[in-house]
Amino acid sequence: KQEVTQIPAALSVPEGENLVLNCSFTDSAIYNLQWFRQDPGKGLTSLLLIQSSQREQTSGRLNASLDKSSGRSTLYIAASQPGDSATYLCAIETSGSRLTFGEGTQLTVNP
Amino acid sequence: GAVVSQHPSWVICKSGTSVKIECRSLDFQATTMFWYRQFPKQSLMLMATSNEGSKATYEQGVEKDKFLINHASLTLSTLTVTSAHPEDSSFYICSAPDRTAALSGNTIYFGEGSWLTVV
Repeated sequence: KQEVTQIPAALSVPEGENLVLNCSFTDSAIYNLQWFRQDPGKGLTSLLLIQSSQREQTSGRLNASLDKSSGRSTLYIAASQPGDSATYLCAIETSGSRLTFGEGTQLTVNP
Repeated sequence: GAVVSQHPSWVICKSGTSVKIECRSLDFQATTMFWYRQFPKQSLMLMATSNEGSKATYEQGVEKDKFLINHASLTLSTLTVTSAHPEDSSFYICSAPDRTAALSGNTIYFGEGSWLTVV
């Protein structure tokens, strides 16, 4: 059974700082890995999707990496802004479009 | 682009009543949809897989008689929480993979989610 762990559970940083969120998974037989953002009381916003054959994806200030062999992914956020404050979820897609989510990292960027 | 719409966004019901949540794929047909539940401060947990024209597949520990799932058409799945209790209060969210774009693989779209409060 796939298990997804995210570290840290919460993170508070000053505005402008670069930061890294970590995600680890137990079963390397994955279709892809996806990072989502969830604002309080809201649904999910897809940030980046890395196919199992890829090693990283970039979108603006976000960069996500994937190392299947070690079962790890990182989400790098450059020059953080208060608007980046949210919970970030890592999800692994296995067979049949099923997603297994980590418990998330709650990020607070202080002005 | 493709959108999955979920309704209602917020619902408050009395204990013992039933509540229905709808999940619609607006721009594509979805033979499969997924229902997740998220308790406060916890992550999303898959509850069940909704299959068009056949019975839903439930995850271990999810009561199929309590959480009724109907996938009557290629664009609509419904989740009915029967005889709701306060412990059923949670955030429910659906997803649907768009498998029509064969070259790019599946894209999974999420609904906006539904907050259920049982009083």
